[in-house]
Amino acid sequence: AQSVSQHNHHVILSEAASLELGCNYSYGGTVNLFWYVQYPGQHLQLLLKYFSGDPLVKGIKGFEAEFIKSKFSFNLRKPSVQWSDTAEYFCAVNAGDYKLSFGAGTTVTVRA
Amino acid sequence: GAVVSQHPSWVICKSGTSVKIECRSLDFQATTMFWYRQFPKQSLMLMATSNEGSKATYEQGVEKDKFLINHASLTLSTLTVTSAHPEDSSFYICSISVAGEEWNEQFFGPGTRLTVL
Repeated sequence: AQSVSQHNHHVILSEAASLELGCNYSYGGTVNLFWYVQYPGQHLQLLLKYFSGDPLVKGIKGFEAEFIKSKFSFNLRKPSVQWSDTAEYFCAVNAGDYKLSFGAGTTVTVRA
Repeated sequence: GAVVSQHPSWVICKSGTSVKIECRSLDFQATTMFWYRQFPKQSLMLMATSNEGSKATYEQGVEKDKFLINHASLTLSTLTVTSAHPEDSSFYICSISVAGEEWNEQFFGPGTRLTVL
C-alpha cells in the first residue's frame, strides 16, 4: 500500500521567510502528486498538482513544488511567506486509481 | 471549482445513538463522492466511495454496517454513523469528483466534527 510522509508536524516562521515542506511517498509506480491547503475554518483546497512533464510545478498563491523521482519526494516551497499563509498543508498521492492517500499534514504558523 | 457543503458542521450525541451527516454538491452533479475521516494530528483516511444509484465501496477495515452511506441523487450523499461510540468521534469530510482533462479533481466539503459522549 502506498504511504505518504510529511516530515514536519508544525512549522513556525516569520513573514517574508522562505518555506519548504517535505513530502515523501512510498510507491514504485507512476504517481500523481498533490498539495492541498486548509485555511482555518475552511475546506481543503488544491494548491498544485503534478502529473507529468516539468518536475517543477507552480501553483496558486506563489507556491511551487518539485518532484524528484529518485528521492520519491514532492517538496512544497514558497520564497516569501505572508501571514495569510497560516494554514494546514497536506501532501497527497494518487497511484493510478481515483483514490487519494494523504500525509498527516503540516501546520504552518506565520508570525507577523 | 465546485462548492460542497456539509451539514451539520458539528454534532454532539450520546453513545448508542445514530447520527446522519449530509454532503451536498451545490453546483455540480456528482456521480461519485468520497467520505473521509480525520483524527487529530493525523491524515485524512478514505472511508468509502459513494456512487449515485449504487452501493458504496468501503475501504478495508471500515464497517459498512456501522457507516451507512446513501447516494440517492447527484447532489446529495449521506453518511449515517449507527450506534455511535466515543471512538467514532472524529472529523468527517466529504468530497465530490469532477471530471477534468487529466484528472477527476476532488472538491472537499468543510467537514463535520462528531463528538460522541
